[in-house]
Amino acid sequence: EAGVAQSPRYKIIEKRQSVAFWCNPISGHATLYWYQQILGQGPKLLIQFQNNGVVDDSQLPKDRFSAERLKGVDSTLKIQPAKLEDSAVYLCASSPQTNEQFFGPGTRLTVL
Amino acid sequence: AQSVAQPEDQVNVAEGNPLTVKCTYSVSGNPYLFWYVQYPNRGLQFLLKYITGDNLVKGSYGFEAEFNKSQTSFHLKKPSALVSDSALYFCAVRPPASGTYKYIFGTGTRLKVLA
Repeated sequence: EAGVAQSPRYKIIEKRQSVAFWCNPISGHATLYWYQQILGQGPKLLIQFQNNGVVDDSQLPKDRFSAERLKGVDSTLKIQPAKLEDSAVYLCASSPQTNEQFFGPGTRLTVL
Repeated sequence: AQSVAQPEDQVNVAEGNPLTVKCTYSVSGNPYLFWYVQYPNRGLQFLLKYITGDNLVKGSYGFEAEFNKSQTSFHLKKPSALVSDSALYFCAVRPPASGTYKYIFGTGTRLKVLA
């Protein structure tokens, strides 16, 4: 079974630029999560999708972050414009609703 | 507020010795409990979970965890540590009424197994 795919793996941008991350979950997994993991901290949920609907985006900074999951499969997370404090690893996870989550390798974002 | 605490930033243990990584939670009701491991430059990998039943849960790579309801703890254990177990470990909780499958993660504990 293929795992959760994410791209790119690394991204370096300057502040005020835009960036987008892509995630392809495990086939058949209805739930998809985006997390932000700042160095030295645990993952923080940004947004959760159930199929193509948003279930929870309470911690998503909506003035600069946006996410979509068209057709209920893959998803993109965008930051526009980026700030220095957005430097982090962005993790995508999917779940078949058997409680455990399956994580992708993450995208390490550096904002200069 | 609901929370998960991992009181130790780092745990050092000699290879072959037993290890314990601590986790306590503050969630009302009977939450679902998880442990994940993260190796450098990798995503999190699921180790084990407690939903209901026996308080001792066995998982991947010889790890197990003990659920203690009275102490609201879910400590990760392994009888004999390996150098390859060195990694970052995260405890996570899913509140029981969370029909949205929302998870709360601890801050992580770095395990260092010394040869």
